[in-house]
Amino acid sequence: GENVEQHPSTLSVQEGDSAVIKCTYSDSASNYFPWYKQELGKRPQLIIDIRSNVGEKKDQRIAVTLNKTAKHFSLHITETQPEDSAVYFCAATHGTALIFGKGTTLSVSS
Amino acid sequence: NAGVTQTPKFQVLKTGQSMTLQCAQDMNHNSMYWYRQDPGMGLRLIYYSASEGTTDKGEVPNGYNVSRLNKREFSLRLESAAPSQTSVYFCASSETGTSEAFFGQGTRLTVV
Repeated sequence: GENVEQHPSTLSVQEGDSAVIKCTYSDSASNYFPWYKQELGKRPQLIIDIRSNVGEKKDQRIAVTLNKTAKHFSLHITETQPEDSAVYFCAATHGTALIFGKGTTLSVSS
Repeated sequence: NAGVTQTPKFQVLKTGQSMTLQCAQDMNHNSMYWYRQDPGMGLRLIYYSASEGTTDKGEVPNGYNVSRLNKREFSLRLESAAPSQTSVYFCASSETGTSEAFFGQGTRLTVV
């Protein structure tokens, strides 16, 4: 089956710094890679996604890059703000299933 | 537009009891999923349904059964609850297996 590994498990940055979270996947047929943000006590919500025919996608302060050859993808958050503090999950498709990484707890201190 | 609705929000069971978690979506989505979330373990897929009439095992299916009752509803059943099934359960749906998944608000289940 699909194995999605996510690093780091925790990340602490100062407000205004950049944050990078990395994921690797094992299924070479995976073709959809979403990122979700989960605030404390809330449900996960999609923040950005990328498909296998695209190498990079950007949405304001958030960007995702994909390297299909190496089977890894990354989330980049620039100019971090305290409200970016949350748990972030990467995911990859395995057939019609969506498999998640174990999550990264991001803390942004002001 | 309610999105994905799960019931109940909280439940306490005794070991050996059975229960069914209900999930319904009003977005006409084809795919539906059940995940469990435990500290440090992320979201682990229990079962999923790519379309009405089909169900498949995910990463951690043991101790669970599912029913895709119709296109809207996807239920998760615990036949004989165990303390290891204490978790937060999330239902999700998506138009296809490669599109945004929308999550319900979660069910916090405690088995004592």
